[in-house]
Amino acid sequence: GDSVTQMEGPVTLSEEAFLTINCTYTATGYPSLFWYVQYPGEGLQLLLKATKADDKGSNKGFEATYRKETTSFHLEKGSVQVSDSAVYFCAPRSGGSYIPTFGRGTSLIVHP
Amino acid sequence: NAGVTQTPKFQVLKTGQSMTLQCAQDMNHNSMYWYRQDPGMGLRLIYYSASEGTTDKGEVPNGYNVSRLNKREFSLRLESAAPSQTSVYFCASSPTDQETQYFGPGTRLLVL
Repeated sequence: GDSVTQMEGPVTLSEEAFLTINCTYTATGYPSLFWYVQYPGEGLQLLLKATKADDKGSNKGFEATYRKETTSFHLEKGSVQVSDSAVYFCAPRSGGSYIPTFGRGTSLIVHP
Repeated sequence: NAGVTQTPKFQVLKTGQSMTLQCAQDMNHNSMYWYRQDPGMGLRLIYYSASEGTTDKGEVPNGYNVSRLNKREFSLRLESAAPSQTSVYFCASSPTDQETQYFGPGTRLLVL
């Protein structure tokens, strides 16, 4: 089955710092790739997605590029804010399946 | 629209007790899902319903049953709760099984 590896957290940054959260995956076929975010006390919500190789998903200043050759989908943001403090989940979804596989999540803590 | 709603928000059970977690969505989605979230484990799929009238097992179905009552509602039942079922439970829905999932706020369950 599919699997996903995310960097361990927590990631602790100062406001306006650059963020990278690494994600690599194994999946069959040509997966779609997703990043979900979970703010404290809430359910997950979609942050961004990419459905084919070299696509770049973006939302709220976050970006991730679908790298088929390295099977990676790293999340980046140029300048984080305190309000970005949350847990981020990488989730590939194989072409033959309609259920995404969620990574373990990476906690991000942004200090003022 | 309320989106995906879950009740209760929090519940404490004794080992062996039973309970039903309720989930409803008002987005006219066809597909619905139940996940559990445990520290360091990410989200694991318990059961899903691709469409009204169908249900299928996910990764961790043992100890649970589900009912797709109608298009709006998808309940999760624990017949005889065990401490290993202490977790946060999330319900999600999607327009079809190929599309982005929308999550509820979660139910925190403690089994003593």
